[in-house]
This record gives sequence, C-alpha cells and structure tokens, in this order.
Amino acid sequence: SQQGEEDPQALSIQEGENATMNCSYKTSINNLQWYRQNSGRGLVHLILIRSNEREKHSGRLRVTLDTSKKSSSLLITASRAADTASYFCATLNSGSARQLTFGSGTQLTVLP
Amino acid sequence: GAGVSQSPSNKVTEKGKDVELRCDPISGHTALYWYRQSLGQGLEFLIYFQGNSAPDKSGLPSDRFSAERTGGSVSTLTIQRTQQEDSAVYLCASSPPSDTQYFGPGTRLTVL
Repeated sequence: SQQGEEDPQALSIQEGENATMNCSYKTSINNLQWYRQNSGRGLVHLILIRSNEREKHSGRLRVTLDTSKKSSSLLITASRAADTASYFCATLNSGSARQLTFGSGTQLTVLP
Repeated sequence: GAGVSQSPSNKVTEKGKDVELRCDPISGHTALYWYRQSLGQGLEFLIYFQGNSAPDKSGLPSDRFSAERTGGSVSTLTIQRTQQEDSAVYLCASSPPSDTQYFGPGTRLTVL
C-alpha cells in the first residue's frame, strides 16, 4: 500500500513561478526523499532529508520536513519548462526494512 | 560512469506466458531493488537484495513472481503465467551503502 500521499495530484504553473508540492506519510521514518520522473520511466533522485532535519536546500529546490505532522513539502523556485515531470516523495521507514515507500506523485506542468 | 540498465525496454507478451526482466546495477552497489509502477501510480516495492543476505520478498504480489541476483550483481525478475494485471513498468534500483537509490529506465510490460 502507498504510505505517502501527495498533494496536489496535478499542478500547472507559468514559467518563473514557484511550485510547491506536499507529501504526507503515516509511520515513523528514517528519512524522506524526493524523486522526479519524466515520461513514466526512470526516477531521478533529487534530495534527501533526514528525520532530524527540518529544512534542506539544493539549487532551486527547498525541502521541509515536519515529523510531528508527518508531512514534507518540496518547493521549486523560478520554475522552468524543463521542470515538467512527475514528482514523488518516498520514505525510508524506521526499522530494518530498506525499501522506499512511495507516494502517488504530483504531475507538474510548467507552461512556457 | 554507467548507470543502472534494464532490458528489455519494452516487452509485449500473451497472457499465460512467462517473462524474464533483467537488471544490471551500478558496479559496486550492494543493494538492489525491484519496484512496479502501474499507469499513473506511485511505485510498489517488490523485492530487495542486500549483499549475500536472504532477499526481502515481502512485496511480491503472488507466487508467480520470483527474482534472483547472481554473483551479487545482475538480477532477473521472472513472472510466470502472466496475467493482464501484471502490465506495468518494472523498475530496478541499486544503492551503495547509503539511502539514495539509483533507478534504471524500467521495462514496460504489456500482457495482452
């Protein structure tokens, strides 16, 4: 079953605007990761935030994590048409299991 | 360096036939994962290999699914007596001793 739920399911913005995607999860986690997927094929790792971190930056990406609310957000600033893709959050749960649990994704469309 | 590769990229088969999907992980990566993604959905964990340890098969949906990893490198996912609901993109990922997973381009399986 999918632990993460992403919100919104789809987002359409103009180039240059910021895009914010949210993710909620249910269990205790070790870390939370965001991935990007183009055209329904391979995923590309974007950023990882550990459970003891609250915010992390990488280029135009900003990720926040609120473990008390079991939620995370991904902000893409100054979006570009090339940012058009599906974005997934994935959690590595606490414990011995090493597989990621993925959300259902947000489809981002950036209009030129 | 070379990333994770998967073959074939596309596979069309008839219901009831067996299929084999191959994954070549990044050299030196100790962990290998198989996921399945149905159209418009997030990824569903199938199986995880870590070094010489017994694989975590907890995500395999039925006994028609099996996987092996030979020599700690190449992995093959086998689906016996395929059903139409097996149609999906099958994604393989590998990781070094860290939590970031590197994904292959996937195999799109269509069962007619």
